[in-house]
Amino acid sequence: DGGITQSPKYLFRKEGQNVTLSCEQNLNHDAMYWYRQDPGQGLRLIYYSQIVNDFQKGDIAEGYSVSREKKESFPLTVTSAQKNPTAFYLCASRDRGTTEAFFGQGTRLTVV
Amino acid sequence: GEDVEQSLFLSVREGDSSVINCTYTDSSSTYLYWYKQEPGAGLQLLTYIFSNMDMKQDQRLTVLLNKKDKHLSLRIADTQTGDSAIYFCAEMGGRDDKIIFGKGTRLHILP
Repeated sequence: DGGITQSPKYLFRKEGQNVTLSCEQNLNHDAMYWYRQDPGQGLRLIYYSQIVNDFQKGDIAEGYSVSREKKESFPLTVTSAQKNPTAFYLCASRDRGTTEAFFGQGTRLTVV
Repeated sequence: GEDVEQSLFLSVREGDSSVINCTYTDSSSTYLYWYKQEPGAGLQLLTYIFSNMDMKQDQRLTVLLNKKDKHLSLRIADTQTGDSAIYFCAEMGGRDDKIIFGKGTRLHILP
């Protein structure tokens, strides 16, 4: 089945460690997005990519990094520079010729 | 920069209509969306409207767009307990592929 997959669903890390969240899609979509969700804050855009080997910062990119080496993959690294990394992270993808952005089921990251 | 605003909570009695409102700032928005999120899950697209339309109806859902006031609303007719969720308004600008979301409205259904 076609879709967008985030793994793992839950992730625990110690403070000061970098951690990479996986996002894979087999929908052949060009555009991919990473959002962070905190209670009462809605979804805030971290990074987005419109095409392979290219990506742009969103509103809260500090402390995060991404890569887009393959069309189907858009991993997000939460670095030790991110001051408050505990959150729910959502990945999305979209065919640039259509309107709907499809979302993964999210990864809940807890840093202790 | 772009901004999307919506109220955080709405309580409605089962069987009544729910109206969730949203305002946005980007006058170059091309698409406006309503997404639904159930607890612990990702987002599901409910409906969308092109910026050159003023109304769209899809079964129990009606979207109204006032482009002059940059105001978007979602009406859910005959609200059911299964409609209890967080509803996000979002817009995609005309200049790039950024999709900006509001903070979400938590819809609570009263018996």
